[in-house]
Amino acid sequence: DGGITQSPKYLFRKEGQNVTLSCEQNLNHDAMYWYRQDPGQGLRLIYYSQIVNDFQKGDIAEGYSVSREKKESFPLTVTSAQKNPTAFYLCASSRISSRLDTDIQYFGAGTRLSVL
Amino acid sequence: GQQLNQSPQSMFIQEGEDVSMNCTSSSIFNTWLWYKQDPGEGPVLLIALYKAGELTSNGRLTAQFGITRKDSFLNISASIPSDVGIYFCAGQPGNSGNTPLVFGKGTRLSVIA
Repeated sequence: DGGITQSPKYLFRKEGQNVTLSCEQNLNHDAMYWYRQDPGQGLRLIYYSQIVNDFQKGDIAEGYSVSREKKESFPLTVTSAQKNPTAFYLCASSRISSRLDTDIQYFGAGTRLSVL
Repeated sequence: GQQLNQSPQSMFIQEGEDVSMNCTSSSIFNTWLWYKQDPGEGPVLLIALYKAGELTSNGRLTAQFGITRKDSFLNISASIPSDVGIYFCAGQPGNSGNTPLVFGKGTRLSVIA
């Protein structure tokens, strides 16, 4: 089945701990994205990557880090510097095209992160 | 960054009623997308719109790309309990095909049987 796989579904973080959320896609998409969703809030962009070994900060990058060593994988690390990490985290991917109208993003099922 | 104003924020409707929600922006968008998110899941694409004035249907759902390219609406006809969820609009800003989508804050739909 083609798609985007996020793991784990639920994750707990202790005080001062770094945790890493996994995102893998087999859609052969160039671009990948990480969003944070808080209750009653929309989707806020954390980081995105349009090509391997390159990534850009989104609107709320502080306290997070990413890597893009492979086209299929875009892991997100929530560092101890992120003081309020409890949220639902969504990964997405899309093609990159020369056309202006083909940037449809497809989402994974999400990871819910809670602080112990 | 750019923002989309999505309204209403939430809706409570009776089963069988029609629903309408919309998104507006102060700037031009090249593409409008509508997603639905079920509780605890990721958003799923419902409808994609690519041209100003375009009207597209997907079953009981109908969406339109506004003529000014600054707005879009989504209608759901004859709502059923499984329509419950959060509906997001998203847009591809004009002038660039490679900037991330901009998302509205969502419309939370509750259906009373």
